[in-house]
Amino acid sequence: DAGVTQSPTHLIKTRGQQVTLRCSPKSGHDTVSWYQQALGQGPQFIFQYYEEEERQRGNFPDRFSGHQFPNYSSELNVNALLLGDSALYLCASSLGGQGTQPQHFGDGTRLSIL
Amino acid sequence: QKEVEQNSGPLSVPEGAIASLNCTYSDRGSQSFFWYRQYSGKSPELIMFIYSNGDKEDGRFTAQLNKASQYVSLLIRDSQPSDSATYLCAVKGTGGYNKLIFGAGTRLAVHP
Repeated sequence: DAGVTQSPTHLIKTRGQQVTLRCSPKSGHDTVSWYQQALGQGPQFIFQYYEEEERQRGNFPDRFSGHQFPNYSSELNVNALLLGDSALYLCASSLGGQGTQPQHFGDGTRLSIL
Repeated sequence: QKEVEQNSGPLSVPEGAIASLNCTYSDRGSQSFFWYRQYSGKSPELIMFIYSNGDKEDGRFTAQLNKASQYVSLLIRDSQPSDSATYLCAVKGTGGYNKLIFGAGTRLAVHP
């Protein structure tokens, strides 16, 4: 039973570039949430996708956008990268509906901005 | 006031002792609470969740919830050096969706 998979594992970009991160949810899960975790902090919610739509968004600028595909996989896109975007980006999957089910995290993508 | 608060630690306990990790939250309407363990450089791993007041036990782990006091805790019995990690408390946001609000985590160090 495959868990949540994310790619790539590490990424180095320069300021102003754009990046796309990918996530495949755990088998049987239909909801994908994205989080940003800065060093020494807890994960911060970016947004959540269910039925191919963004259904909740955290306090992140429009430079952060996403997409969910019919197979429930998801992408996170970040445009005009800033130094402050350097962080561990985590994808979590869960079973949708009322949202009471626990979220399971992938291994994350560590993004470094130079 | 932060939405979810935890002591940053480090909490240092000897091997075999009980480690007690605490978390308070600000939204009185919160209904679902989660504990994640995160090893350095790794992603969070779900270890416990609790929805009802009282205690919930799973092996060496016990989660305790007191909604009146807006307090949730995690007890680790017979602590092992392999339990050394950062423990993240997460609260499901209100509004029907699954957004998790995390504390900054408590670093636990179990020494032999």
